[in-house]
Amino acid sequence: QKEVEQDPGPLSVPEGAIVSLNCTYSNSAFQYFMWYRQYSRKGPELLMYTYSSGNKEDGRFTAQVDKSSKYISLFIRDSQPSDSATYLCAMFGSTGNQFYFGTGTSLTVIP
Amino acid sequence: DTGVSQNPRHKITKRGQNVTFRCDPISEHNRLYWYRQTLGQGPEFLTYFQNEAQLEKSRLLSDRFSAERPKGSFSTLEIQRTEQGDSAMYLCASSPGLGLGETQYFGPGTRLLVL
Repeated sequence: QKEVEQDPGPLSVPEGAIVSLNCTYSNSAFQYFMWYRQYSRKGPELLMYTYSSGNKEDGRFTAQVDKSSKYISLFIRDSQPSDSATYLCAMFGSTGNQFYFGTGTSLTVIP
Repeated sequence: DTGVSQNPRHKITKRGQNVTFRCDPISEHNRLYWYRQTLGQGPEFLTYFQNEAQLEKSRLLSDRFSAERPKGSFSTLEIQRTEQGDSAMYLCASSPGLGLGETQYFGPGTRLLVL
């Protein structure tokens, strides 16, 4: 079983839609959770960073962490064509520095 | 641009050749990481430096791979006797190294193709 599971998609939505992206994980020691956006042939770009359970909002983006269910989500409101990219979840625990990434979900927002 | 930089951006080589990649982290970031990413997969951790010390290595880092960070600033990743399976994007990331829970900032990557 992989440490982090993420549906690879692809996911295609019309412009303006609300997008929900999700990851599950198996290691209860994970405490730090991130979402990265990666455009084709580019490095990952940090979008959201949360510690432990709860919600965090930044503009059109909301990150949720449910540690009891080992489940994290990223919501994108009013999606734009420029949001078309691969979204990677990443996480790590309080010890060690190794990040564990999901496989990424490919998102296309259609104008 | 004060982000993480990587060179070259692309590298095509023949099987059996050696290749070396360079990463320049964000200025004053003490920690530096190397990852490998293949198509359709998330980045996989290879190794990590705290200043010039290599503190952690993944089992993915075979004997043909070596990484250095001689002065605690830039880092190099060398692959000896490349194999077709080494074809991937090699990503470098850095973080301040001031404590726990720091996120990592990624460079644009070096895309390697082994023919």
